[in-house]
Parts: sequence; structure tokens; C-alpha cells
Amino acid sequence: DTAVSQTPKYLVTQMGNDKSIKCEQNLGHDTMYWYKQDSKKFLKIMFSYNNKELIINETVPNRFSPKSPDKAHLNLHINSLELGDSAVYFCASSPGQVKGTQYFGPGTRLLVL
Amino acid sequence: SQQGEEDPQALSIQEGENATMNCSYKTSINNLQWYRQNSGRGLVHLILIRSNEREKHSGRLRVTLDTSKKSSSLLITASRAADTASYFCATDDTGFQKLVFGTGTRLLVSP
Repeated sequence: DTAVSQTPKYLVTQMGNDKSIKCEQNLGHDTMYWYKQDSKKFLKIMFSYNNKELIINETVPNRFSPKSPDKAHLNLHINSLELGDSAVYFCASSPGQVKGTQYFGPGTRLLVL
Repeated sequence: SQQGEEDPQALSIQEGENATMNCSYKTSINNLQWYRQNSGRGLVHLILIRSNEREKHSGRLRVTLDTSKKSSSLLITASRAADTASYFCATDDTGFQKLVFGTGTRLLVSP
């Protein structure tokens, strides 16, 4: 069984479209994250949720809106996609402590044309 | 920027050789972690070292931490082609509720 899963794996879309990425973890962890990895492999946190509550919201455009329907799921919705949004988006989870060991999903490769 | 830096950016060695990569960071930390990322995959946690530890081992991995120099090193002994990946350090900045990842070292191990 996959511990942290994301769908879709690849996403190719036009500028201006709205898209969603879904994430699920079956590890029973309390904390989930969204990271963005750019073409230079820099990995930066975007959001963190603990038990469905937002605890980290980095300086991310408000076109990005996370939603956590329950503590096993954290989805990312992106409105009005821009070329600069092209990147790999990783979901991760950790057992409780925000700065402890994190378990990453396989990533969603987003390409905005 | 809070981001740590890793050195070298890229490293190419032969199977059986040792690989050493370094991480420097800028702030006070509680712990430092190392992660591996195979091409096209997510990051996988390798090892965590706490600020009061100087050295830690896990299999063929040896991690050192020097908090006075704000630096850490990851040594992979007797490398294998399967060790080919990018390696990232991550620090838990005491001033922020998040992990800060380094810029990564791309390791290529040739058979």
C-alpha cells in the first residue's frame, strides 16, 4: 500500500485554467504539507495542515487554495494557472511534529502552456 | 534566504568509492535531516541527527554535525549504482515552524 499518494501524476494544462491535485496518506499522521520543487530542484514549503487546521501558509499567491476535508487528505486547488506555476508539487505528511521526519508522495508534475 | 546550501552541487564517482556531501545552514537548529530523491520520485528520509549529537550512523551512511560551524556532512561508503540520486539536507530552524531544505547534491555512481 502506498503511504502518501497523489493524483494526478502528470498535469498539462493551458494558462488561465483551474486545476486540483489530490493527496491522501494512510499513515495515520496528523500533519500534512504541500511543497513546490522548481526546475532547479529547490524545494519550498507552501502549506501545512495539522488535524485539518492550517498552520503554515508561506507567501503563496492566493490563487493557491489548500483544502483538508479530513486529516488523511490534503488537496490543492490552483486558479488561473500561470506559466510560472509549472513545477513538481509534492505532498508530504509527518506524525505530529511539524519539523520531524516527513514522508513524501511521488509528486505531481504540472506543466502550464 | 533561509535556505541551506549543499556542496558540491554535483558529484560523480565510481562504484565502490565513498561519496561525501556537505550542508551549511544559517540559523540555530534542533535537528538536521538528510533525504534522498531518486529521479522522478519523491524524497525519502535517510537519517536525522539532533543538535546535541556529533555523529550518527545508519548502514553505509555516516552523518556528522558541527553546530559551531553550522554544517553537516553525509558520507556514503562503498557506493553503489543504486545510490545515484539527489541528496538534500533539511534543517528545523528554531525560529520557524517548518523544515528548510538545502539546494541538493546530485550524486552519480557509475558501475
